[in-house]
Amino acid sequence: ELKVEQNPLFLSMQEGKNYTIYCNYSTTSDRLYWYRQDPGKSLESLFVLLSNGAVKQEGRLMASLDTKARLSTLHITAAVHDLSATYFCAVDAHFSGGSNYKLTFGKGTLLTVNP
Amino acid sequence: KAGVTQTPRYLIKTRGQQVTLSCSPISGHRSVSWYQQTPGQGLQFLFEYFSETQRNKGNFPGRFSGRQFSNSRSEMNVSTLELGDSALYLCASSRQGGDTDTQYFGPGTRLTVL
Repeated sequence: ELKVEQNPLFLSMQEGKNYTIYCNYSTTSDRLYWYRQDPGKSLESLFVLLSNGAVKQEGRLMASLDTKARLSTLHITAAVHDLSATYFCAVDAHFSGGSNYKLTFGKGTLLTVNP
Repeated sequence: KAGVTQTPRYLIKTRGQQVTLSCSPISGHRSVSWYQQTPGQGLQFLFEYFSETQRNKGNFPGRFSGRQFSNSRSEMNVSTLELGDSALYLCASSRQGGDTDTQYFGPGTRLTVL
């Protein structure tokens, strides 16, 4: 059974600081996704990482994937209050060509950015 | 472009009842997935439909079922409700449902079972 572990689960940061959220998974896969969820809201897609070594950046967020280590990271640069949210990583258990969605999610990281 | 819509947004039921939730995907999207989100178990995959066919199913009991219509709208049904079924039910749509697609999530239906 595929397991996805995120750490930390809770992260309190000061504005302007950098930090990294880690996502480890238990089986081979080269499909990893990052989502953001604001309180009481739905999930917003942030990044889709589709191959080993993939790196994607959007604003102050950068995600990377190391399939050999079964590890993805979400790096936050110079955090601002607007980044406060819960961040989820998810791994697709079916990774062969033509596979379909069957995402396994991590527990989520609740990020609070303090002024 | 309209996003994924889910109805109803909130629902209160009692144990033993059944419930039907509806999801309308983004226009042109043919894949619809359903997820259950609870504080204890987190986000869990329920099932995925594409062109009216269930292609994937998570580890949920048979009380949870779904279907997809020819216009790609999807419904999920939970029969004989239990207290533990209280959750936020999210549906997500994508064009083809392939793993390179981006899934777009709806606002969710919050189900409370009393």
